[in-house]
Parts: sequence; C-alpha cells; structure tokens
Amino acid sequence: TQLLEQSPQFLSIQEGENLTVYCNSSSVFSSLQWYRQEPGEGPVLLVTVVTGGEVKKLKRLTFQFGDARKDSSLHITAAQPGDTGLYLCAGASGGYQKVTFGTGTKLQVIP
Amino acid sequence: SAVISQKPSRDICQRGTSLTIQCQVDSQVTMMFWYRQQPGQSLTLIATANQGSEATYESGFVIDKFPISRPNLTFSTLTVSNMSPEDSSIYLCSVESRYNEQFFGPGTRLTVL
Repeated sequence: TQLLEQSPQFLSIQEGENLTVYCNSSSVFSSLQWYRQEPGEGPVLLVTVVTGGEVKKLKRLTFQFGDARKDSSLHITAAQPGDTGLYLCAGASGGYQKVTFGTGTKLQVIP
Repeated sequence: SAVISQKPSRDICQRGTSLTIQCQVDSQVTMMFWYRQQPGQSLTLIATANQGSEATYESGFVIDKFPISRPNLTFSTLTVSNMSPEDSSIYLCSVESRYNEQFFGPGTRLTVL
C-alpha cells in the first residue's frame, strides 16, 4: 500500500505569512495532484504535476514535484483567509494508475 | 471538468437501516469512484464503478455492506447497508480526467445514531 505522508498535519498562521506543505512517499508517482477542500464541499483540483523537478505557479501558490517523483511541496506566499481549508496531495502509480490520497494538511489563516 | 451532483447532501439515520446515495454526472464517463472521508481527514477509496460490470472494491470494503449500481454512463448509486455509528462519515463520488485528476461531487454527510 502506497502511503503519502503530509506535513504538517495542522497549520494556523496569521494573514500575510508564508507557508510550505510537504507531501512525501517512498513510491514513485507518474502524476501528482494537489486539492483544496472547504467545509461542506468536495475537494477541488488545484494543480497536476507530471515531470520530475517540475515547478508550477498559480498566483500565490507554488507547487514543486521532486526530481525522483516521490515527493512534492506546496508553498503559499502571503496567505489570505480565503486560503483556509484542507489541502490534499494525491499520486497515481502502478499499472492501473491507482490514485492514493495524502494524509491531509488543515490550514487556518487568521485575519 | 465534469459537473457532479450528489443526493442527499446530508442525512441522519438510525442504526440498522440503509441509505442510498445518488451521484449524477453531466457527461458520459467510463469509471466513477466512491470515497469515504472522516471530517477533516483524508479520503479512502471504497470502490470503482464501471458501467456494465460489477464494481471493484478496495481492501476492507465489501459488496454486501456497500452495494453499488451503475445503470448508465452518467449515474451511480452507493448504498450503505445495515448502518452503525462507525459508518458516520462523508461519502464522495468522483470521476477521473487526464493524469488521473479527480473531480468530486459535493459529498453526502451521513450521521448514524
């Protein structure tokens, strides 16, 4: 069973601060996604990375896929209250490209 | 991306009863997925539903407890049978796009008393 460990598990920061969330595994993934979920809603796709070493930017969010395609990070610059939510990474691997979700990071941005 | 709706959005049920959750997609898809999520926690895949064949269940989930129907390419149902308080959770359906990207419905929040 592939495991995707996210750290930290919880994060409470002030508006304007920067933060990084990590997603680590011992497995190699062909693609990796980041999702954000708000209470009462399903997870919403933020980004997909497929190439080792790839960096993608989405406004204040920067996503990086590790060179070996086993890990990823999400960096948020100048966090805003609207960034509050549960962040989930998910990786696809294996012959059937089964998707495994990470353990989750709950972010609270305080105004 | 697909638009996915689920019904009901939430329900409170008595132990020993069953609840059927519906998932409707606005386009035809080959596979639909059912997940379970404890509030604030990660997602666990229950089963994959293919149209025209039996669902494929993940380890720890069985058909008798979570029967799934997939009558056409835009619709699926998940039944939670003989419920106990341990079944209290959020149930989500999803469809898959390129690179295994998942698009989710809004979820069904189930509370079993």
